[in-house]
Amino acid sequence: QSALTQPASVSGSPGQSITVSCTGTSSDVGSYNLVSWYQHHPGKAPKFVIYEVSKRPSGVSNRFSGSKSGDTASLTISGLQAEDEADYYCCSYAGSGTPYVFGTGTKVTVL
Amino acid sequence: QVQLQESGPGLVKPSETLSLTCTVSGGSISGYYWSWIRQPPGKGLEWIGYIYSSGSTDYNPSLKSRVTISVDTSKNQFSLRLSSVTAADTAVYYCARTRNEVYFDYWGQGTLVTVSS
Repeated sequence: QSALTQPASVSGSPGQSITVSCTGTSSDVGSYNLVSWYQHHPGKAPKFVIYEVSKRPSGVSNRFSGSKSGDTASLTISGLQAEDEADYYCCSYAGSGTPYVFGTGTKVTVL
Repeated sequence: QVQLQESGPGLVKPSETLSLTCTVSGGSISGYYWSWIRQPPGKGLEWIGYIYSSGSTDYNPSLKSRVTISVDTSKNQFSLRLSSVTAADTAVYYCARTRNEVYFDYWGQGTLVTVSS
């Protein structure tokens, strides 16, 4: 299984909206509505912000939303805040064998 | 609030066995799946394997021949052993709780393991 493809970096100004894409294949993202997203501030424990494509865990800001179309999933952060600056990783269930495949990671910068 | 903490040697010699333990606090280890995930320097995340609290396991096929994950419910801990390590196994190793076998809801901060003589 190859890693899911994410842009290396995405940036935006405070208050703007940004979208991070996550492109897989028909064997992973395209086959299952089981994409999750993780926010990682270096040196800290990663935090999950979206699961099952678009569900938001309790306690996660509603500024985070997820969607999927075909083999590509997306994470949108609206009303961008300084605290959102972090690395973001997507992950898709990929069936038996290697059940989890992660994205290459995207560094989100708040200008 | 569930918390996970990885522990173990930060330096392992080539051909030896890497051993890490994850201690779970704030909740029981029973009834859940628990994963090990790693991130080599400058690279993406890679799932290593998981264990259910009853002891059943599943491993990444690319590492299966070298990986063993075990659980000690009495100590609320689970462990990773990776044998015959090489420099390619140098990475930050994370432990994480796995929900519904499809996402990871709690993670440790990670521990850097360097393979070097």
